[in-house]
Order: sequence, then structure tokens, then C-alpha cells
Amino acid sequence: SQTIHQWPATLVQPVGSPLSLECTVEGTSNPNLYWYRQAAGRGLQLLFYSVGIGQISSEVPQNLSASRPQDRQFILSSKKLLLSDSGFYLCAWRTVGNYGYTFGSGTRLTVV
Amino acid sequence: AQSVTQLGSHVSVSEGALVLLRCNYSSSVPPYLFWYVQYPNQGLQLLLKYTSAATLVKGINGFEAEFKKSETSFHLTKPSAHMSDAAEYFCAVTARFSGGYNKLIFGAGTRLAVHP
Repeated sequence: SQTIHQWPATLVQPVGSPLSLECTVEGTSNPNLYWYRQAAGRGLQLLFYSVGIGQISSEVPQNLSASRPQDRQFILSSKKLLLSDSGFYLCAWRTVGNYGYTFGSGTRLTVV
Repeated sequence: AQSVTQLGSHVSVSEGALVLLRCNYSSSVPPYLFWYVQYPNQGLQLLLKYTSAATLVKGINGFEAEFKKSETSFHLTKPSAHMSDAAEYFCAVTARFSGGYNKLIFGAGTRLAVHP
């Protein structure tokens, strides 16, 4: 079966510290992968998407970056966190030809 | 460009009453439309999707939505609300961008409260 894993589930980090959130998918190959952020009381904002290994597109300029070192691995990173980076981060995947997205369980990031 | 507007950030209904969550979209190409539900501190779960087949789409947990092209709407309904329906609901539309790959554009969400 196809599954998506995100970790950690919650994270509290001080301002200026680095960040690494990981997302992996199983049971599918060559998926399109996405990182979304959900700020408190707001909708979902697409941050990055990837159509293949090493291929990253950014939707909005920000303090974050993304990488895809393997076909089914998508990493969200920051060198120095800002308070405004706090939020709920969701990873999602979509296989070619399927217009539905499957979401991970999310990571709640609090920057203090 | 594609966009989604969800009318009403908060909706409150009584248990057993009709649930109606409104969604209007804007799309320069034929859209694919989705409704997702999110429970606190969880990811999003797909409720239903419209992908150009039947205009009345049935989903999980008794929800359904009707695609109305003339009104550019995709409202979500459920005949009788249950306490377990309390959650946040997101409407979304696909957008086709350069390279032929799509991305999902979400509305701001509607928080549904169900009271006894």
C-alpha cells in the first residue's frame, strides 16, 4: 500500500537554529512531492514542489529550502529559523495521472 | 490562475441539521475540485473529488458536493450533521502550470462546529 511518513510530529526550536523536516513515501515511484505550510488560522500555502530527484521549485521567497536526494524522500530545511517560520508543515504526494493528493500527518513547528 | 473562495470561516450547526459549506472557484481551464477535512493536529483527509465525470460527487462520511459550472461553485453538503463532523474543511482546485504538472490551490478553510 501507499503511505507517506513525516517526522517529527512536533518540534520546538529557538530563533536562529537550523531546521530539517523529513518526508518519505512508500509504495509508489516517481511521485510529485509537495511541502505546504499552514499558519495559525490560515489556509494552506504551497512552499515547494518537486517532480523528480534534485528538481525543486519554490512557490514563495522565504527563509526555507527544500531538497530531494532520493525519489521518495523530500526534505525541508532552514539554516536559521525565524519566529515567522512557526506553523504546521504538511508533506503531500501525487502520482502522475492521479489528481488527488495524499497528505502526511504533519509537523507542528514552534519557533521560540 | 486558479483560486478558491470559501464563504464563511466558521459555520455552526445543530446535531442532525443540514451541513452546507460553500466553495467558489476561479479557473481559466476546466477544473478538478476537491474537498478535504482536517481534524486538530492532523493531516488532511480527502472527502471527495470532482474530475469531470458526474457533477454530483459522493464522498466519505455521508458528504456530497455538486459541481455547477454556471455558478463556478462546488458546495459541500451533508443531510444530517454528527458531532464527529466537527473539523476544518478545505476546498481545493488544481492549477496547471508550465511543464504540465499540476498543483493544488486551497481555500482558507471553514471550521465546522456541531452543537447538541
